Amino acid sequence: NAGVMQNPRHLVRRRGQEARLRCSPMKGHSHVYWYRQLPEEGLKFMVYLQKENIIDESGMPKERFSAEFPKEGPSILRIQQVVRGDSAAYFCASSLSGSRDEQYFGPGTRLTVT
Amino acid sequence: QKEVEQNSGPLSVPEGAIASLNCTYSDRGSQSFFWYRQYSGKSPELIMSIYSNGDKEDGRFTAQLNKASQYVSLLIRDSQPSDSATYLCAVHSGAGSYQLTFGKGTKLSVIP
Repeated sequence: NAGVMQNPRHLVRRRGQEARLRCSPMKGHSHVYWYRQLPEEGLKFMVYLQKENIIDESGMPKERFSAEFPKEGPSILRIQQVVRGDSAAYFCASSLSGSRDEQYFGPGTRLTVT
Repeated sequence: QKEVEQNSGPLSVPEGAIASLNCTYSDRGSQSFFWYRQYSGKSPELIMSIYSNGDKEDGRFTAQLNKASQYVSLLIRDSQPSDSATYLCAVHSGAGSYQLTFGKGTKLSVIP
């Protein structure tokens, strides 16, 4: 399957724990975007990364959230000390180039904080 | 603040009819426009992209763009019950911006 892959698909964390979400872009793509979709809300941009670089993190909350896309391996979105308000679907998308290109979404990780 | 507006619906059409979905955007410098389909509990699936004024057809789908009016639409011909989903309009501003700005989506229901 050459599509965008995300894991885990479902993640349950207690308040205060850490959540790590992984994303492998579509084959041949080196541009990765993370979006969050809260219940009954639209998709909101969080961060845009290329290999080893964060290009735009204007949508990331200032605290507890971080993202990386190492030279080898998947992109990781990390949420420290999760709170109930972090419960949402987190989607990763990838594109061939970073300008006007089409973005293709992975299946998402549904995070539930109890 | 860049905004993308869509009528939330639900929009109900009978099977075989044409469904018309509309979207307006606030950033006049926007350059790329996309329609995604999202089934309940699933991820967004890209249906159409359009970059120039006018119409773009792909099978039963036609996207229409009018940059002067800051308006994008999606027509679905011969609507099928399987088209029932939420349709998301997304806009890419260009000019060094990499993120897509999404509308909240229009829920379409195709009645058999």
